Amino acid sequence: GAVVSQHPSWVICKSGTSVKIECRSLDFQATTMFWYRQFPKQSLMLMATSNEGSKATYEQGVEKDKFLINHASLTLSTLTVTSAHPEDSSFYICSATGLAGAGLGEQYFGPGTRLTVT
Amino acid sequence: DAKTTQPNSMESNEEEPVHLPCNHSTISGTDYIHWYRQLPSQGPEYVIHGLTSNVNNRMASLAIAEDRKSSTLILHRATLRDAAVYYCIIRSSNYKLTFGKGTLLTVNP
Repeated sequence: GAVVSQHPSWVICKSGTSVKIECRSLDFQATTMFWYRQFPKQSLMLMATSNEGSKATYEQGVEKDKFLINHASLTLSTLTVTSAHPEDSSFYICSATGLAGAGLGEQYFGPGTRLTVT
Repeated sequence: DAKTTQPNSMESNEEEPVHLPCNHSTISGTDYIHWYRQLPSQGPEYVIHGLTSNVNNRMASLAIAEDRKSSTLILHRATLRDAAVYYCIIRSSNYKLTFGKGTLLTVNP
């Protein structure tokens, strides 16, 4: 099956600094990538959808200036948490799909990145 | 997006079949039924999806009711590695996935 990787798998940063998380599709071209956030004992919450070469679409309540998403190629999307604060500590998960438009294919998820802001 | 209702938790014994139910009474005609599962501290894993007909793959089977208002994920022989949270998701044409709380499956040895 299709493989999606994330880097780093975990990161600890100081409050006020920025952190970049990478999401890569290893064996397929991902026309669309999604970023989710998951707090302990809660379900995944979609943050934004990004299509290669265009601006990301953010879900309601997600600050686009705080969570910068770049999807510059068909195999790489990055999420930068700017000026991180302790409340941004969470498990960030990306997913990718290879079908554009009203695709019917499954999403392939990365292993997640555990962010801890001290 | 159509809402789904799943039991909070279910328990099974190893090597026995497991039937995980999902209600989705507000599903529309073009919505697909997707199932994913998530182990602790890992990203979700795709299990299976379908539209109207029952579906089988190497991981599981998906039985879809004739009126499409419910579906059942079937694990034919549960193993300890199948212990996870199982999410039933109705995916509309914008192909976004909205995760609910899912069903926590415990598999007893």
